[in-house]
Amino acid sequence: NAGVMQNPRHLVRRRGQEARLRCSPMKGHSHVYWYRQLPEEGLKFMVYLQKENIIDESGMPKERFSAEFPKEGPSILRIQQVVRGDSAAYFCASSLLQGSGGGEKLFFGSGTQLSVL
Amino acid sequence: DAKTTQPNSMESNEEEPVHLPCNHSTISGTDYIHWYRQLPSQGPEYVIHGLTSNVNNRMASLAIAEDRKSSTLILHRATLRDAAVYYCILSGRTGANNLFFGTGTRLTVIP
Repeated sequence: NAGVMQNPRHLVRRRGQEARLRCSPMKGHSHVYWYRQLPEEGLKFMVYLQKENIIDESGMPKERFSAEFPKEGPSILRIQQVVRGDSAAYFCASSLLQGSGGGEKLFFGSGTQLSVL
Repeated sequence: DAKTTQPNSMESNEEEPVHLPCNHSTISGTDYIHWYRQLPSQGPEYVIHGLTSNVNNRMASLAIAEDRKSSTLILHRATLRDAAVYYCILSGRTGANNLFFGTGTRLTVIP
């Protein structure tokens, strides 16, 4: 019964390159969330997706960042033309259902640590 | 989003109970109170959540004040593996499950 799987665990990119972070939710989960965590800070919500739909992207930077959750395969967080300020830990979480009133619990992956040189 | 206030850090001796407080004075009637914890170099882990009544599970207990403006996470016997950052979070926006993580409380367990 695998949990939320994220890969790669560590990703190093040079400025201007693209970063692709992958997340496979728990089996049976159709809701995926991406969070970013800067050093010594709490997690910041980025985007919430269901299969083939973006439900809430209010936390996504307006440029260079995009996310998808296709019908088949993992969810992808894509960062184009990375800059040093993108260096952070990126966490993915999944849930079984969209909870009514917020009672649903999230299951998190171990994260991808992105380092931009 | 309604905000929570937690102490930055707390210490506990191993095998003693730990009470982690959280204030949420602007909580709305439909907000759930969630607790997650984050061990070093790992993703957050669900601990417990509740709405109005106190809750118990194998990891911890959640005591919710009668007016719901505060709550306390109780670890009955702290172990070294409980050393983590504990986040108290409110969730309740209609149609959304995303959680707002503050800076949490860093719990240090002393052997």
